[in-house]
Amino acid sequence: QKEVEQNSGPLSVPEGAIASLNCTYSDRGSQSFFWYRQYSGKSPELIMFIYSNGDKEDGRFTAQLNKASQYVSLLIRDSQPSDSATYLCAVRYGNNRLAFGKGNQVVVIP
Amino acid sequence: DAGVTQSPTHLIKTRGQQVTLRCSPKSGHDTVSWYQQALGQGPQFIFQYYEEEERQRGNFPDRFSGHQFPNYSSELNVNALLLGDSALYLCASSLGLAGGQETQYFGPGTRLLVL
Repeated sequence: QKEVEQNSGPLSVPEGAIASLNCTYSDRGSQSFFWYRQYSGKSPELIMFIYSNGDKEDGRFTAQLNKASQYVSLLIRDSQPSDSATYLCAVRYGNNRLAFGKGNQVVVIP
Repeated sequence: DAGVTQSPTHLIKTRGQQVTLRCSPKSGHDTVSWYQQALGQGPQFIFQYYEEEERQRGNFPDRFSGHQFPNYSSELNVNALLLGDSALYLCASSLGLAGGQETQYFGPGTRLLVL
């Protein structure tokens, strides 16, 4: 079983709609979860982190964590063309080692 | 406030050669982690350096080695390059407090192509 899984294919959303991304992780003891955005040809950029069960909002982004279900999600409200990127879910293991999913590509259609 | 820097930005090598990649962490950070990102995949953890020592290592062969200098900058060395080593190599810096619970920030990466 992979440490972090992001199984959805590319996601196309109309401009102004909500994009929803999901991620599951294998280690029930994990405490820290991150969403990174990566534009094509660029390095990952941190957009959200969440440590506690429930929702965390930052501008148009909301991260949701359910430790019982080992599930993390990211919602992007009012999607903009500039949100078109690959979104990487990461989970911290051990002494600050990040395990990443393979990413979900989001395409916002004007 | 200088962010994480990496050099070179691009590199082309042939199989069997050796390569050295460099990273300077964000100002105030003392921990450097290295990741390999193959095309279409998420980054994979190679190893982490703190206080000039390798603190933990991912599932990479001994051909991958590293070093951290007293100014916290770091090098990643890869010997006997294989075609499969072609990837984006990312350096991430963080503040290595007890337990290492600080957020990691990535540099721009070095894109390595092995022919």
